[in-house]
Amino acid sequence: GAVVSQHPSRVICKSGTSVKIECRSLDFQATTMFWYRQFPKQSLMLMATSNEGSKATYEQGVEKDKFLINHASLTLSTLTVTSAHPEDSSFYICSAIAGGGWNEQFFGPGTRLTVL
Amino acid sequence: AQRVTQPEKLLSVFKGAPVELKCNYSYSGSPELFWYVQYSRQRLQLLLRHISRESIKGFTADLNKGETSFHLKKPFAQEEDSAMYYCALTGGVTAGGSYIPTFGRGTSLIVHP
Repeated sequence: GAVVSQHPSRVICKSGTSVKIECRSLDFQATTMFWYRQFPKQSLMLMATSNEGSKATYEQGVEKDKFLINHASLTLSTLTVTSAHPEDSSFYICSAIAGGGWNEQFFGPGTRLTVL
Repeated sequence: AQRVTQPEKLLSVFKGAPVELKCNYSYSGSPELFWYVQYSRQRLQLLLRHISRESIKGFTADLNKGETSFHLKKPFAQEEDSAMYYCALTGGVTAGGSYIPTFGRGTSLIVHP
């Protein structure tokens, strides 16, 4: 199946700094990428939908200025957590859809962010 | 608004017992429904989707539009089935033309030897 990678797999940063997470589709072109946040023992919370070449669509309650999404190409989307705070600590997961009528999502392995 | 409900957070069975993981949805149109599975320390992966009507690893799921359900079933559970299972719906379209996915909270299946 299609492979999606995320980098880094884990990051620890100080409060107030910004952190960038990359999501890449390795062997297919992703028409759409999604960014999720997952809290311990809870479901996936969709943060935003990212389409190549256009602005991301954010879900209600997600601050677009805090979580900057850039979908520079059909194989790369980045999520930047700006001025991170301890409450931003979470597991961030991206997924990608190849298109062609199928809406199956291929998931990245996730990024564990810890803000001190 | 679209919604997916998985009423059970945890389902514990013995090996060889039948398993049913419940999923109900709310969506005004014709949804596309999926089951995703996450094994320990692994990423989420697709288990099956309703439009292909396939059986994967012995699991099946039938879309019941009348009851708005998409329950996941397996007649004889195996220890290796222990994992987190998520029911997901793809429904409404965003302004950018993408379909919006919604996940249930997940059900943790534990199969005891």
